[in-house]
Amino acid sequence: DTGVSQDPRHKITKRGQNVTFRCDPISEHNRLYWYRQTLGQGPEFLTYFQNEAQLEKSRLLSDRFSAERPKGSFSTLEIQRTEQGDSAMYLCASSLAGPGQGREKLFFGSGTQLSVL
Amino acid sequence: QKEVEQNSGPLSVPEGAIASLNCTYSDRGSQSFFWYRQYSGKSPELIMSIYSNGDKEDGRFTAQLNKASQYVSLLIRDSQPSDSATYLCAVNIPQGAQKLVFGQGTRLTINP
Repeated sequence: DTGVSQDPRHKITKRGQNVTFRCDPISEHNRLYWYRQTLGQGPEFLTYFQNEAQLEKSRLLSDRFSAERPKGSFSTLEIQRTEQGDSAMYLCASSLAGPGQGREKLFFGSGTQLSVL
Repeated sequence: QKEVEQNSGPLSVPEGAIASLNCTYSDRGSQSFFWYRQYSGKSPELIMSIYSNGDKEDGRFTAQLNKASQYVSLLIRDSQPSDSATYLCAVNIPQGAQKLVFGQGTRLTINP
């Protein structure tokens, strides 16, 4: 257990529905990342926050995706009007920003497996 | 060219042998390199990090880095069936988000 919590673990939804995932990072970590992983591929970067500020979004992230991190604590990732192509494992990771090597070291939660029917 | 490339495998190694996993990266400015292990249906778990050229050993694992060749590898000595997993190479991209970019992973099977 890395200390990063994600909820739910699994989500099955019908195409066109909205879904929301939650991530609680390690408490002292100020950076939070969302990645997406499909079968046989490595995780793909979606977006990241430093404290409450969303500092970068991948070109992969369409307008149907939105992420928030109110008060710099937990984060939510919402997908509107889901499509079958959104089916994937959604991974949250956190890290501690600061000087020195290895600050990009990410600790992952267990992930949310999304299936869009 | 992909930012981080790995052979997808599968790589099959007999128990007790050395497993060698390779990774190349495209951004010469990258400074931090990581190996993650991912069991089927689970999330990635950090097993090694390396920042300087040369070898870094941790138990049965050795990470090797050659920045001139833009190459990083992971050796697993005395391979055990419990080492069977997908191994992900991750490299920092220094511009912008300080994010990690992952390779597609190499699936390793250790045969008893």
